[in-house]
Amino acid sequence: DAGITQSPRHKVTETGTPVTLRCHQTENHRYMYWYRQDPGHGLRLIHYSYGVKDTDKGEVSDGYSVSRSKTEDFLLTLESATSSQTSVYFCAISESGTALDEKLFFGSGTQLSVL
Amino acid sequence: AQKVTQAQTEISVVEKEDVTLDCVYETRDTTYYLFWYKQPPSGELVFLIRRNSFDEQNEISGRYSWNFQKSTSSFNFTITASQVVDSAVYFCALSEGSSGNTPLVFGKGTRLSVIA
Repeated sequence: DAGITQSPRHKVTETGTPVTLRCHQTENHRYMYWYRQDPGHGLRLIHYSYGVKDTDKGEVSDGYSVSRSKTEDFLLTLESATSSQTSVYFCAISESGTALDEKLFFGSGTQLSVL
Repeated sequence: AQKVTQAQTEISVVEKEDVTLDCVYETRDTTYYLFWYKQPPSGELVFLIRRNSFDEQNEISGRYSWNFQKSTSSFNFTITASQVVDSAVYFCALSEGSSGNTPLVFGKGTRLSVIA
C-alpha cells in the first residue's frame, strides 16, 4: 500500500474556526490532491499540487487554501469553517500525474464535522 | 470540460445475480483515461481498472468485466455472479488530455447492495 497518512482522522469544530488537515506521504510522489466526498456529489477536487509550492485550484476551491512547502506534506486549510464544509476529505497522490502508467493512491480520509 | 455521469444512484441485487454499472463520459479530447474505483463500507478507495481512449478492448478480471464503447461514450462495469462482498460504492472517473496529468473527475457514484 502507498504510504499516505491523513491527520486527523476525525475532527469536530465550530463554525468560524480555522482548520488544517494534513496529508503526509512517504512515496516521494510529485502530485498530491485534496478531494471532498459528499452524498450525492461523489468526489470533487478541491486543490492539487504538482510540486513543491506549485498548486492549482479544483472544482470546489472556494473557502479552502493549500500549501506544500515540502514534497511529503500537503496541507488543506479552511480559513473559517462553515457547516457546508462538513464532509469527508481524501488526500491522494500520484507519481507522475499521468494516467499512462499511474493511478491515484488514496489516504484513509478525514471526517470533518463543522457545528 | 470533462464530465462523468453515473445515472444509477443505487442498485440492489440478490447474490449471484449479474449487475451492470453504467458510466457515461464527456470530453473534447481524443486522448483520455477512464477509471473505476471501489469504495467498500470501510471507506477506503480501491483502484479497479484504468483504460485509455485508444484501447477499446473489453477487459475481464475474474468476475469483473468492463465494456468500453467510444461510439456511445460509455465505460460500463459488470459484476458476474455478485457476492455480498461486492457491496460498495463504485466510482467511474475520467482524466483527459494527452499529458494524462489532468486531475481525475469522478462521477457521483453508484451504491451497490448485494443481498444474501
